[in-house]
Amino acid sequence: DQQVKQNSPSLSVQEGRISILNCDYTNSMFDYFLWYKKYPAEGPTFLISISSIKDKNEDGRFTVFLNKSAKHLSLHIVPSQPGDSAVYFCAASMRIKAAGNKLTFGGGTRVLVKP
Amino acid sequence: ETGVTQTPRHLVMGMTNKKSLKCEQHLGHNAMYWYKQSAKKPLELMFVYSLEERVENNSVPSRFSPECPNSSHLFLHLHTLQPEDSALYLCASSQEPGYEQYFGPGTRLTVT
Repeated sequence: DQQVKQNSPSLSVQEGRISILNCDYTNSMFDYFLWYKKYPAEGPTFLISISSIKDKNEDGRFTVFLNKSAKHLSLHIVPSQPGDSAVYFCAASMRIKAAGNKLTFGGGTRVLVKP
Repeated sequence: ETGVTQTPRHLVMGMTNKKSLKCEQHLGHNAMYWYKQSAKKPLELMFVYSLEERVENNSVPSRFSPECPNSSHLFLHLHTLQPEDSALYLCASSQEPGYEQYFGPGTRLTVT
């Protein structure tokens, strides 16, 4: 049973336009959410995160929105650039006992930004 | 070296072999993780070490054996693997009590 889902496996967007990536989760115990970006042959790179007590976090061209009642978060990239072409993973975090945290990942959305 | 490094980057092994994957983090973090990414499946957490103590074993078969000798190094010892264990194995680290985990480039493992 997948607790974190990214229902769009791929997204194609024109350079300069907005990219919107969506993520849904089922476990209300998640208390922190993260987005990662992955290029081929590299590990995931941390992009932006949001605490469950907030509904928006912005960092440059990247904004993450959290709707706790709907158990839904989204990542907005504006304006999109060709270098943003990658696979984006949504992850939800839960604390483990007294230390460490457990990330549960979605299946990823492949973004292609066309020049 | 900066960030999180993993060696080897690629590994092909037979089902009767014993091999080890190595991870080193240069970020001064105190928690380390092993993840597995199989084809067409999400990243799955395997093990968590915090302050060199294993705090999570996510129902991983005993043919995978982790070792964390210090806060900078993490190993995954492999023994009598199956072809379905072929996957990308990723190491990550974080600084407790933070949430952001930083990943290495991964080891692409093929079991023949």
